[in-house]
Amino acid sequence: EAGVAQSPRYKIIEKRQSVAFWCNPISGHATLYWYQQILGQGPKLLIQFQNNGVVDDSQLPKDRFSAERLKGVDSTLKIQPAKLEDSAVYLCASTSGRGLETQYFGPGTRLLVL
Amino acid sequence: AQSVSQHNHHVILSEAASLELGCNYSYGGTVNLFWYVQYPGQHLQLLLKYFSGDPLVKGIKGFEAEFIKSKFSFNLRKPSVQWSDTAEYFCAVNAMDFGNEKLTFGTGTRLTIIP
Repeated sequence: EAGVAQSPRYKIIEKRQSVAFWCNPISGHATLYWYQQILGQGPKLLIQFQNNGVVDDSQLPKDRFSAERLKGVDSTLKIQPAKLEDSAVYLCASTSGRGLETQYFGPGTRLLVL
Repeated sequence: AQSVSQHNHHVILSEAASLELGCNYSYGGTVNLFWYVQYPGQHLQLLLKYFSGDPLVKGIKGFEAEFIKSKFSFNLRKPSVQWSDTAEYFCAVNAMDFGNEKLTFGTGTRLTIIP
């Protein structure tokens, strides 16, 4: 079974620019998560989708971050405008959403904001 | 809200040494507990998990963890480490009473094994 796909793998931008990340979860997985992992810290949940609906976005900085999952499959996370402190690895994960399960993680997108 | 503490930030061991990495969580209700591992250049992978039943759980590559409810702990152990165990290890908790599968991670422990 193919894993969670993410692109790009690396991105370097200047502050105040915008950036977008893409995630394709494992086929059939209804639940999709975006995490932010700052260097030296554990992943922090930004947003959780169940199909194309948002379940939890309590830790998403909504003034600059947005995410969508229009058809309940792949998802995009956008930052506009980016700040220096947004430098991190952005991880996507998915589960089938049918109960107690393991989350499967993608390789992440490493963002550097200069 | 739940939180997870991993007090060992960087552990350095020689091959064949025994390993124990600490993990404590703060939440009074039902929890599911996980250990994830991230090898250099690779993505997060599940090492082992506890949902219910026997509090001593065994995972891949000879790792095990013990859930001690009274201590709010879920420490990771391995009797004899190998150089290939060099990685970052993350403990995570899912607080089940919220009816939502949402992981809260600790800050991670970097493990370096010296040949």
